[in-house]
Amino acid sequence: EVQLLESGGGLVQRGGSLRLSCAASGFTFSNYGMSWVRQAPGKGLEWVSGLSGSADSTYYADSVKGRFTISRDNSKNTLYLQMSSLRAEDTAVYYCAKDFAWGYYTDYWGQGTLVTVSS
Amino acid sequence: EMVMTQSPATLSVSPGERATLSCRASQSVSRNLAWFQQKPGQAPRLLIYGASTGATDIPARFSGSGSGTEFTLTISSLQSEDFAVYYCQQYNNWPITFGQGTRLEIK
Repeated sequence: EVQLLESGGGLVQRGGSLRLSCAASGFTFSNYGMSWVRQAPGKGLEWVSGLSGSADSTYYADSVKGRFTISRDNSKNTLYLQMSSLRAEDTAVYYCAKDFAWGYYTDYWGQGTLVTVSS
Repeated sequence: EMVMTQSPATLSVSPGERATLSCRASQSVSRNLAWFQQKPGQAPRLLIYGASTGATDIPARFSGSGSGTEFTLTISSLQSEDFAVYYCQQYNNWPITFGQGTRLEIK
């Protein structure tokens, strides 16, 4: 059974930094692309970033480019999102998601972790 | 960036009736289109991928159609558990983008 467990969310001041983690199990982690998707309170889904299984290809939404960095440790089956220069509009639930294959749709999602940026 | 536009924003339908949700892409995405269902307080769930292929364990009452720029999600006979928010997602081009969602509510 695929399981994705996010952690690291919390309250942070505007301009601050935070690192999210996603512990994966139930599949061969290094074989799959992974994504972060966020959802602001009461709003829709926004794709944030994606990373290939071998970590040699990354993509970012324009809204986070230059401020967020996605990475992974395949030896620990863990995905990360390093967030810096945080803004009030980054307040959201952040979901970790497994891609069916690199560059394809997301087929499994974690339960999310809430990041709140205070001004 | 590919813009995905869903309509209507809210759809009111009675249980047992058919619901038809639309998703339009600003450019062709071929058939690289997925649909997700999200209930309050839950993560999204994959319903359809490749525009028309049902995901694992998805009831047959959910079906998808379309290609290029116009896509449709149809729920043939609404059950109480189907009232939720539905999102389309294109994965034809980076960045991956979602529609803004359609809220399906009980009439």
